[in-house]
Amino acid sequence: ELKVEQNPLFLSMQEGKNYTIYCNYSTTSDRLYWYRQDPGKSLESLFVLLSNGAVKQEGRLMASLDTKARLSTLHITAAVHDLSATYFCAAQMTGANNLFFGTGTRLTVIP
Amino acid sequence: DSGVTQTPKHLITATGQRVTLRCSPRSGDLSVYWYQQSLDQGLQFLIQYYNGEERAKGNILERFSAQQFPDLHSELNLSSLELGDSALYFCASSPRRYPGQGPKNEQFFGPGTRLTVL
Repeated sequence: ELKVEQNPLFLSMQEGKNYTIYCNYSTTSDRLYWYRQDPGKSLESLFVLLSNGAVKQEGRLMASLDTKARLSTLHITAAVHDLSATYFCAAQMTGANNLFFGTGTRLTVIP
Repeated sequence: DSGVTQTPKHLITATGQRVTLRCSPRSGDLSVYWYQQSLDQGLQFLIQYYNGEERAKGNILERFSAQQFPDLHSELNLSSLELGDSALYFCASSPRRYPGQGPKNEQFFGPGTRLTVL
């Protein structure tokens, strides 16, 4: 089974600051996903990372993947309140379809 | 809106009962996945169906079962419910069966069904 670890679990940031969420996974993975979840809501797809060195950016969020280190990062630049949510990474084993999720990082951006 | 629909939104029932959760995938998607989100276990994969056939099983209890119908909608049946079954149940869909069958084959999640067992 693929183990996915995320840290930190909780993150409180001031508006305008930068921070990084880390996602480690235990075995070879085909692809890595980042999702956002607002309280009581569904999972919204943010990024799909398909290969080593992949980097994707959308607004103030940037995700990267290092398959050799089995590490993905989600970098937040100049945080704003609207980014407050729980962020999950999920990995997919080679040849499989189901996702293994990390524990999630609950991000709170304070003024 | 992902295009995946789930009903009902909320379900409150008693221990020992049986419930059915329903999911309609995005138009054209052949794969349906069921996930459970609880405080104890986090987000866990339960089961996957592809074009009517079971394709993968995760941490699904024997009391739970699922099926996918010819019109591709899926149902998750939960029986002999226990307090610990209270959770948010998500359905997701994707176009294809294998990751290699397309550039992404990412999964799109429905709004979820919140199950409360009293």
